[in-house]
Amino acid sequence: EAGVAQSPRYKIIEKRQSVAFWCNPISGHATLYWYQQILGQGPKLLIQFQNNGVVDDSQLPKDRFSAERLKGVDSTLKIQPAKLEDSAVYLCASSLPSDSPLHFGNGTRLTVT
Amino acid sequence: AQSVSQHNHHVILSEAASLELGCNYSYGGTVNLFWYVQYPGQHLQLLLKYFSGDPLVKGIKGFEAEFIKSKFSFNLRKPSVQWSDTAEYFCAVNGGNDYKLSFGAGTTVTVRA
Repeated sequence: EAGVAQSPRYKIIEKRQSVAFWCNPISGHATLYWYQQILGQGPKLLIQFQNNGVVDDSQLPKDRFSAERLKGVDSTLKIQPAKLEDSAVYLCASSLPSDSPLHFGNGTRLTVT
Repeated sequence: AQSVSQHNHHVILSEAASLELGCNYSYGGTVNLFWYVQYPGQHLQLLLKYFSGDPLVKGIKGFEAEFIKSKFSFNLRKPSVQWSDTAEYFCAVNGGNDYKLSFGAGTTVTVRA
């Protein structure tokens, strides 16, 4: 089966600029997650979707981060404006609703200068 | 919310040595436990999982983990490592029906040929 697809793989921007990441989950996976992984730390959940509805966005910095999953398939995560501390790998994962192991994409490595 | 603690930040071993990585979590209820592995340049992959039943679980590539409820631990073991086991290992936990995973900070394992 095809895995979780993410793009771009790398992105370098200056602080205060905007950036967007894209994720295409495994076909049939209703649950989609965005994680942030800062260097030296484990992944931290930013937002969880079930189909096109938000299940949990309690750790999403909503003043600058937004995410959507309009048709219940692809998702985009946006940061506007970016800060230096947003430098991290942004991971997308998907799962079946009743099957909790997550399948991860390769991630997007964001560097904010 | 659960928290996950991984004891070692970086472990260096020679081939054929035995490996044990510690993981402790804080959550009083029913938990699901996971170990994920990230090989250099690759995405996070599920190594093994524990939901219920036999507390000794076997995963891929000769890895196993033991759930000790009284110690809130889920340590990962492999009797004889190979150079190809060089990777970063993450312990993760979710509680009951909450599929949100909490990850530890990860342990980097370097196996010398």
